Amino acid sequence: AQSVTQLDSHVSVSEGTPVLLRCNYSSSYSPSLFWYVQHPNKGLQLLLKYTSAATLVKGINGFEAEFKKSETSFHLTKPSAHMSDAAEYFCVVTLSGGYNKLIFGAGTRLAVHP
Amino acid sequence: DAGVTQSPTHLIKTRGQQVTLRCSPISGHKSVSWYQQVLGQGPQFIFQYYEKEERGRGNFPDRFSARQFPNYSSELNVNALLLGDSALYLCASSWGQGPYNSPLHFGNGTRLTVT
Repeated sequence: AQSVTQLDSHVSVSEGTPVLLRCNYSSSYSPSLFWYVQHPNKGLQLLLKYTSAATLVKGINGFEAEFKKSETSFHLTKPSAHMSDAAEYFCVVTLSGGYNKLIFGAGTRLAVHP
Repeated sequence: DAGVTQSPTHLIKTRGQQVTLRCSPISGHKSVSWYQQVLGQGPQFIFQYYEKEERGRGNFPDRFSARQFPNYSSELNVNALLLGDSALYLCASSWGQGPYNSPLHFGNGTRLTVT
């Protein structure tokens, strides 16, 4: 069975400081992993995806994530937080089968303070 | 280009009633997926339709059903509503069947409240 665990339900940072959102995964197969962001009253937007190419994945808005198989982790980082980054972030793993069954973590709410 | 559109945006129903939610995918997208997001949790997969055929079903009771029309729009139906069905229902479209090379584009959702 595949699953993801987001280690922090809430993260609070100051504007201009680094962001780290942690995610561990469990998968019987080589997983495909994603990070999605959800702003209030909005749908989900894909930030980045890992599909067994480069282990360091760059996404939109300056975010990146590193796939570490030995640690079964896929943490999301950003060097410098912006106020507009305040949102809910979801780590996601796909279930094998080729169709769009995404398994979402519980989410991490990121707060950015001036 | 228009994104994924869902209607209605908000809905209030009474226990035992039935509800139909609608989704129009991005033009050219042939796959529509439905997700349920209960407050404070991540979305859960309900259904995927591709080329008007069901291609995946999540762990939801038979009260939940869906279909995809020739123009690739989709409806999600929920019968005999329970209080626990209160959630944000998200529709996502993609041009292909899997997420590897055809990313999902999500709509803003329909907020269903069951009283």
